[in-house]
Amino acid sequence: DTGVSQDPRHKITKRGQNVTFRCDPISEHNRLYWYRQTLGQGPEFLTYFQNEAQLEKSRLLSDRFSAERPKGSFSTLEIQRTEQGDSAMYLCASSLQDLTEAFFGQGTRLTVV
Amino acid sequence: QKEVEQDPGPLSVPEGAIVSLNCTYSNSAFQYFMWYRQYSRKGPELLMYTYSSGNKEDGRFTAQVDKSSKYISLFIRDSQPSDSATYLCAIAAGSEKLVFGKGTKLTVNP
Repeated sequence: DTGVSQDPRHKITKRGQNVTFRCDPISEHNRLYWYRQTLGQGPEFLTYFQNEAQLEKSRLLSDRFSAERPKGSFSTLEIQRTEQGDSAMYLCASSLQDLTEAFFGQGTRLTVV
Repeated sequence: QKEVEQDPGPLSVPEGAIVSLNCTYSNSAFQYFMWYRQYSRKGPELLMYTYSSGNKEDGRFTAQVDKSSKYISLFIRDSQPSDSATYLCAIAAGSEKLVFGKGTKLTVNP
């Protein structure tokens, strides 16, 4: 499978715990995006990387959220001290040229209990 | 006012019907207009994108943009049960950030 890969697909965690998600973009795609999608809503932009540089962040990305792309390949999104409001689908996308050709992964569904 | 408004439906049509899905937007700076299809518990899949006002056709799908009225549409001809999904409009203003509508859930009944 040469698409965008996200791991895990599902995560259930207790409130207050830390969680980390991983995204493997399509090989050679230098742009990587994270979005969050809650039930009945469209995806909301969280952050964007070009290679290893994090170039844009949404104000949705509070201090509890941190994203990295250390070698310009895979990316991780960590949420510290999870809250019930963090329950959502976390989507990763990658592209080579621009966002008009971004491919999304299947997402990581987070449930905070 | 939200940047992108989309009627969430749900929309239910018989097989073979023409489907019209619509979004309005508020920011004149938006330049890129996209439609995504999302099946249940899957990531969004890009269907079509366009930069300019007018129509763009791809098989049974036609995307239409009217920048003067800030209105975009997706038409699906000869709809099939396999078209049943949530359709999301997405718009961008030149940055790397897509602004999505809420999505319209479509069911095509055999």
